[in-house]
Amino acid sequence: GDSVTQMEGPVTLSEEAFLTINCTYTATGYPSLFWYVQYPGEGLQLLLKATKADDKGSNKGFEATYRKETTSFHLEKGSVQVSDSAVYFCALSDNTGGFKTIFGAGTRLFVKA
Amino acid sequence: ETGVTQTPRHLVMGMTNKKSLKCEQHLGHNAMYWYKQSAKKPLELMFVYSLEERVENNSVPSRFSPECPNSSHLFLHLHTLQPEDSALYLCASSQPDRGMHGYTFGSGTRLTVV
Repeated sequence: GDSVTQMEGPVTLSEEAFLTINCTYTATGYPSLFWYVQYPGEGLQLLLKATKADDKGSNKGFEATYRKETTSFHLEKGSVQVSDSAVYFCALSDNTGGFKTIFGAGTRLFVKA
Repeated sequence: ETGVTQTPRHLVMGMTNKKSLKCEQHLGHNAMYWYKQSAKKPLELMFVYSLEERVENNSVPSRFSPECPNSSHLFLHLHTLQPEDSALYLCASSQPDRGMHGYTFGSGTRLTVV
């Protein structure tokens, strides 16, 4: 079945450091891919998405490119801030007809001032 | 405010109590979802409603009973819960595209069963 694997955390960075959180997936069809962010005490928020191969999703300085050849959707940001501290979830939605979105286990990011 | 409102934000209940969680959205979405988020476990999909009909029920114990009276409201009725049911319960909604363009989540209800 479809699955999402993302790097285990926690990831600890200093402010203004470069961020990469790896995400790979397996899917039988052509899924849409997402990154969600969860701040403490809140629900998940959609951060960015890509619906087909080679699409780049971007939002708030975060970027991720849908790489079909490597089945990856790595999240990057050039300069993190303390306010980026949160849990990040990679997810896929199988577009072949079901209602299931598969979420990764989440990666916690701590950014130190 | 995300557009999906969940109440209450926090709930403490005894194992013999009956309570309900409420979710409301006015985004024009017609699919709504209940997820359970427990510490150190992946998000668990519990129920999916599309056009007010249940389309997914992932082997959830009968002590959880969903209700979707219209496309804007979703409830999760709880009775005789167990301590392991303590978790963050998240409601989400999506456009009529099976989630291809992502979900909008509420802030969740933090449930503690004592």
